[in-house]
Amino acid sequence: DAEITQSPRHKITETGRQVTLACHQTWNHNNMFWYRQDLGHGLRLIHYSYGVQDTNKGEVSDGYSVSRSNTEDLPLTLESAASSQTSVYFCASSGPGTGVEETQYFGPGTRLLVL
Amino acid sequence: AQSVTQLDSQVPVFEEAPVELRCNYSSSVSVYLFWYVQYPNQGLQLLLKYLSGSTLVKGINGFEAEFNKSQTSFHLRKPSVHISDTAEYFCAVSEGNAGNMLTFGGGTRLMVKP
Repeated sequence: DAEITQSPRHKITETGRQVTLACHQTWNHNNMFWYRQDLGHGLRLIHYSYGVQDTNKGEVSDGYSVSRSNTEDLPLTLESAASSQTSVYFCASSGPGTGVEETQYFGPGTRLLVL
Repeated sequence: AQSVTQLDSQVPVFEEAPVELRCNYSSSVSVYLFWYVQYPNQGLQLLLKYLSGSTLVKGINGFEAEFNKSQTSFHLRKPSVHISDTAEYFCAVSEGNAGNMLTFGGGTRLMVKP
C-alpha cells in the first residue's frame, strides 16, 4: 500500500545545530507540504512543493528550508535550530493535480525538542 | 486573507450523546471547507470536505457537517458519539484561488466519557 513516512519520529537537538527531518511518500504525488503543530495554533504551513525543483514559502518559513530533487522526498532543514522551533512537524502529500479537490494525506509526525 | 476559528478548544461529552464542533471562517472569496481528525500520536485524516453542491456533507465514521455561507460556518456534528471518537478535530479552509493550500483552525479536543 502507498504511504507517507517521516523520520525520525522523535529528535532532541541543541540550539544552533542543523537538523534535517525526512519525509518520503510512495503515492507518487506531485504536491508535498510541511506543517508545524503547536498548541492553540493548529497546523501552520512552513514550505510546500508542487513538483520536482519547485519549492515555495508558507506562513512560517523563517529558519527553515526545503529542496525537492525527486517526486518521493521533501526533506525539511532547520538551518540553526532555536528553542522556538520545538514543535511537532507533519509532512503531507497530495496529487496528481494542484486543485482544491486533491486530498492531503499526512505522515505520522516528528516530535522535535530543541534544548 | 483567510482565517479559521474553532470556538471551543475542548468539548467533553458522554458516550452516545450528540456533539457539535463549531467552525467559523473569514474569507472574501469563495471557499472550500474541510474537517480532519487526529487520533493520539497519529497524523491527520480527512473526515469530510465541502467543495460544491449540497451544503450538507456526510463523512466517515457517522460525522456530517453543514456549510452555511451567510453565517460563514461549517459546524461538525455526530448524533451519537463513541469512546473511539476521542481525538483532536481540525477545521480547514482553502480559498478559491489558493489551489491545494489549506489554512487550519486551532483544533478542538473531543473527549468522550463513559
